[in-house]
Amino acid sequence: DIQMTQSPSTLSASVGDRVTITCRASQSITTWLAWYQQKAGKTPKLLISKASSLEGGVPSRFSGSGSGTEFTLTISSLQPDDFATYYCQQYNGTFGQGTKVEIK
Amino acid sequence: EVQLLESGGDLAQPEGSLRLSCAASGFNFSSYAMSWVRQAPGKGLEWVSTICGGAISTDYADSVKGRFTISRDNSRDTLYLRMNSLRPEDTAVYYCVRDHRDWGQGTLVTVSS
Repeated sequence: DIQMTQSPSTLSASVGDRVTITCRASQSITTWLAWYQQKAGKTPKLLISKASSLEGGVPSRFSGSGSGTEFTLTISSLQPDDFATYYCQQYNGTFGQGTKVEIK
Repeated sequence: EVQLLESGGDLAQPEGSLRLSCAASGFNFSSYAMSWVRQAPGKGLEWVSTICGGAISTDYADSVKGRFTISRDNSRDTLYLRMNSLRPEDTAVYYCVRDHRDWGQGTLVTVSS
């Protein structure tokens, strides 16, 4: 099975900061990767599909990149609404462990 | 509008069984692969199982393989998850998911004596 390793597990940042989350696959998944945002008590929201395609309605400060085994989610300027937990998922199943973005 | 409504979550004994259902509406159900994803209290997301639109192909996480069975009834627009030999570590909210984008609200399964 493909393992997904996400880092860091927790990230403390301030409004306006540039934030980067990394996800590594144990074998190549080309660009079959999704990124989600989950807020407390809510269902996950798909932000990015196929590694870099921004979903409709998602602010342009979110971007995804990468292929093969290494991927990144970047928030160019962190906003108050962005404090949440973020997950990567390879399309055939496995999720990363999650990254909680906290207020510094 | 896509709607996914899970049901069937309950308190179950260890080694017991449950069947979850997910009623779908707002899209051509048989055209989409469907998945179950779970989230234990305070923990991360865990993919459980996926079934293709025609129900020919299924896949399972190692943690549930041999104990859980995913199925679907395309005539009823309904997805199922049969869970046998339940363990305390199966305690979680179980979500029905379409195409990564659409998630149900979840149904809570608690496994405890």
